[in-house]
Amino acid sequence: GAGVSQTPSNKVTEKGKYVELRCDPISGHTALYWYRQSLGQGPEFLIYFQGTGAADDSGLPNDRFFAVRPEGSVSTLKIQRTERGDSAVYLCASSLSGGITDTQYFGPGTRLTVL
Amino acid sequence: ILNVEQSPQSLHVQEGDSTNFTCSFPSSNFYALHWYRWETAKSPEALFVMTLNGDEKKKGRISATLNTKEGYSYLYIKGSQPEDSATYLCALINNAGNMLTFGGGTRLMVKP
Repeated sequence: GAGVSQTPSNKVTEKGKYVELRCDPISGHTALYWYRQSLGQGPEFLIYFQGTGAADDSGLPNDRFFAVRPEGSVSTLKIQRTERGDSAVYLCASSLSGGITDTQYFGPGTRLTVL
Repeated sequence: ILNVEQSPQSLHVQEGDSTNFTCSFPSSNFYALHWYRWETAKSPEALFVMTLNGDEKKKGRISATLNTKEGYSYLYIKGSQPEDSATYLCALINNAGNMLTFGGGTRLMVKP
């Protein structure tokens, strides 16, 4: 079956611009996660959705970052007034129900470059 | 904040060599550990989810062990092949099941 997909695969933008990154989770998965991987580090948690609601957004670095999942399926990560430090690979994952032993299935990521 | 560490950071081996690397974590408040393999330009691929002390899991030539009392997990690859070249990540899940805390990864390069 289809895995997690993310678009675009690459995004180059200028400092100060607004960007949107899209995630299509595996059909039927209620839990959705966003992570960010900076060069040389492991992925870092940003936000977790259970259904339509953001159950934990403690990883969002500041109020320039926002994410939605209006119908409990597709999610969009939105970054306002981008900064060069936002450059990273943004990963999305989904799992069946968000349990401790549930496998989180990852998409291929969106590589964001802020010039 | 969980501190998950992986060593070594990178590893070069010859095809056919067996290899292993380490994931270290705080032994208190352990819930589950996840191993992933991440090849360049692909999605991270789930390898194992481990929960019990003494657990050992195997998938083909790859196996993993878990020691929750001392806070480490080993990943073993038997007879490395060039297609095993990837970054291997371990991650701990929190008690709410919503957040993976990753180590920095071990980058494995297998030379033919």
